[in-house]
Amino acid sequence: EVQLVESGGGLVQPGGSLRLSCAASGFSFGAYNMLWVRQSKGKGLEWVSFIGAGGDTLYPDSVKGRFTISRENANDSLYLQMNRLTAGDTAVYYCARERYSGNYRYLDYWGQGALVTVSS
Amino acid sequence: DIQMTQSPSSLSVSVGDRVTITCQASQDIHKSLNWYQQKPGKAPKALIYDASNLERGVPSRFSGSGSGTHFTFTISSLQPEDIATYYCQQYHSPYTFGQGTKLEIK
Repeated sequence: EVQLVESGGGLVQPGGSLRLSCAASGFSFGAYNMLWVRQSKGKGLEWVSFIGAGGDTLYPDSVKGRFTISRENANDSLYLQMNRLTAGDTAVYYCARERYSGNYRYLDYWGQGALVTVSS
Repeated sequence: DIQMTQSPSSLSVSVGDRVTITCQASQDIHKSLNWYQQKPGKAPKALIYDASNLERGVPSRFSGSGSGTHFTFTISSLQPEDIATYYCQQYHSPYTFGQGTKLEIK
């Protein structure tokens, strides 16, 4: 059974840093692209980072230069290092597995989410 | 950046209704569009990928169509368990979600 379990969420002051982890199980983690997607309370979904199976990364402008996605295939783990946090980064952060073929890609498994609150 | 305009933002529905949600892309994304369902307090769940392909295990009352800039998601006969918020997502370059459509019981 595929499982993704996030951890590391919590309360952090503006300007602070936080590192989220996502423990994967039930599939060959190293063979899959992985993403972090966030959702502010009562709002929609926003993609915040991508890491390919080969280690290539992508970020939207909203977090570029502040967030870093990484992976440790040996430990089946995904990470999101978040620096210079602002109130606008307050959200539930989901890790998600991307099912990918040459013609399509979609997020077929998601974790339960980790709440990050940025407040003084 | 590619913008996704989803409508309506909310919809009052009854069991048995045919429900249609649209998603408009700001530029041609071919068929690079997915649809997700999200229930309160839960993670999103993939329903439709590549505009019209049904994810494994998803009931056939859900369907998707479209290409280019205009896409449609349909529930042919709404069931009580379909009350949720639905999102479109483009993956042409690189990823953007629509604002969501919340279904509410009339």
